Amino acid sequence: GAVVSQHPSWVICKSGTSVKIECRSLDFQATTMFWYRQFPKQSLMLMATSNEGSKATYEQGVEKDKFLINHASLTLSTLTVTSAHPEDSSFYICSAGSREGLDETQYFGPGTRLLVL
Amino acid sequence: DAKTTQPPSMDCAEGRAANLPCNHSTISGNEYVYWYRQIHSQGPQYIIHGLKNNETNEMASLIITEDRKSSTLILPHATLRDTAVYYCIVRVNFGNEKLTFGTGTRLTIIP
Repeated sequence: GAVVSQHPSWVICKSGTSVKIECRSLDFQATTMFWYRQFPKQSLMLMATSNEGSKATYEQGVEKDKFLINHASLTLSTLTVTSAHPEDSSFYICSAGSREGLDETQYFGPGTRLLVL
Repeated sequence: DAKTTQPPSMDCAEGRAANLPCNHSTISGNEYVYWYRQIHSQGPQYIIHGLKNNETNEMASLIITEDRKSSTLILPHATLRDTAVYYCIVRVNFGNEKLTFGTGTRLTIIP
């Protein structure tokens, strides 16, 4: 299947700093990427839909000014957690859609574990 | 997206077939059934998907009932590495359509 990468795989930062997470589709182009967050022992929760060349669409309850998303190319989307606080510590996962003919499948990155001290 | 119902947990002996059920009684005609799994501390892994016909690939088989209200994922010869949380998701097959994750089934393969 298609490969999606994320960088970094884990990050530790001080409270109040900003952290950028990259999501790349390695062997395909994706006009739409998705960002999820997962807290321990919980399921994945969609944060936002990242659209190439346009503004991201955020789910209800997700602060767009805190979680900045940029989808500058068909293979790269970035999520910046601004002024991170300990409650933002979580597992952040992106996905991208790979299309073969009429069939489209979402593939996920390996995730980025964020710890805010 | 239609909701799905899965058992919270299942055990399966190593080497046996693991059969994971999923109910999706409110599925729409244009919604596909997708299966993903998440091994601890990793991103979800795509397994298989289908619309109404049974599907098979190198990882698993997907059996969808004729009325499409339920499906079963079959791992033919389970190994310890198949221990994971398995998610059944229904969604239309468009690029900007999100995946909505439920709580899934925690499958434990017993040696």
